[in-house]
Parts: sequence; C-alpha cells; structure tokens
Amino acid sequence: GNSVTQMEGPVTLSEEAFLTINCTYTATGYPSLFWYVQYPGEGLQLLLKATKADDKGSNKGFEATYRKETTSFHLEKGSVQVSDSAVYFCALSDPSTNAGKSTFGDGTTLTVKP
Amino acid sequence: EADIYQTPRYLVIGTGKKITLECSQTMGHDKMYWYQQDPGMELHLIHYSYGVNSTEKGDLSSESTVSRIRTEHFPLTLESARPSHTSQYLCASSAGQEIQETQYFGPGTRLLVL
Repeated sequence: GNSVTQMEGPVTLSEEAFLTINCTYTATGYPSLFWYVQYPGEGLQLLLKATKADDKGSNKGFEATYRKETTSFHLEKGSVQVSDSAVYFCALSDPSTNAGKSTFGDGTTLTVKP
Repeated sequence: EADIYQTPRYLVIGTGKKITLECSQTMGHDKMYWYQQDPGMELHLIHYSYGVNSTEKGDLSSESTVSRIRTEHFPLTLESARPSHTSQYLCASSAGQEIQETQYFGPGTRLLVL
C-alpha cells in the first residue's frame, strides 16, 4: 500500500536559518505529492504540490522537488521566519490505488525563534 | 481561499450526549472526508464520501456515523459521546479529478467530552 514517512519533530530553528524537512514515500502508481501546513488553531492548507517526477513545487519561499529515483519530496526554505512556525504534513494522492484518497505523514512541528 | 466550513469550532459536552459536527463546502466537490487529529498531530481518516448517498469508513475505526444527503453537506454524528471521543475533528473535500487531488480543509472542531 501507500505510505509517507517524514522527519520526526519537533524542529526548532532560529530566524533566518535554513530549513529541510525530509519526506519519503511508497506508492504503487504515479502519485501526486503535496506539502500541507497547519497553523495553530486552524485546519490544514495546501503549501505546494508536484504532480510528476522532477516537478518542483514552490510557494512562500518554500520549495520541494519530486524525486522519483529516491522516492522523496523534501521541503526546503532558505531563510525561515517566526511566522513559519506550524505543523507541516507531507502527503501523496495516488489515483490508481486507494480510490484517490490522500495518505498523510505524521506531521513535523516547526518552531522558529526570533 | 477554501470555502469549507465547520461548526461548532469548539464544543464541551457531557458523557452520553448526542452530538453532530457540521461540515459544509461551497466548491461543488464530490469527495468529502472526516479526519481525527491526535494531540501529537497525526491525522486519521475516519470517514469519506465519493458523492451523494455514498459513505465509507476510513482507516481508523470510529463510533461516529456520517451522512451525505446533499453534495455540500457532510455531518458527523456521535450518538453517545464519551471522554475517549475528545479530539480535534477536521473535515476536508476534494474535486475528485484524477490529477488534482488537493484536499481543502475546514478549520476543525475541537471536542471535549467530560
């Protein structure tokens, strides 16, 4: 079946530090890959996505590249801000299996200190 | 901006009470989902629907039930609330297209059963 494994948290960084949150996946088909972000007290919202190999998703200074050879979709940001403090979820959607339901990682909590 | 709503946002209720958590979306999405989110932030799919009159149980067993009489509405009901039901409940929807399986989340309902 499908699965998503992401870096365990919590992650604590100083403002302007470089961020990487690792995500690897297992899928039987050709999934689309997503990063969602959940700010305190809110639901999840889409941060970025990539629908095929070698695609790069980017938004708000975050980016992630769909690497089929390493089955990875690591999230990066060059300079984090306090406002980036949130929980980040890696996810995949594989239309060929699992009826198109999304499979989520366990979430990584990021805290950015001033 | 996602147009998916959940009410109430917070609910404190006594054991044995019947409760209904409301979820509505105005995007015309066919697929809708209910997730239970742990304090550790993991997401567990408890119910989903492919469209009107379609409901399925998710990956995590739940004593709750759902209905889908209208496309836009996907309420979740607990006939007799217990302290073990205390959690955050997130509703989501997606268009159901093969490639674009982005999920749009509501803000969540935080339930406390005393």
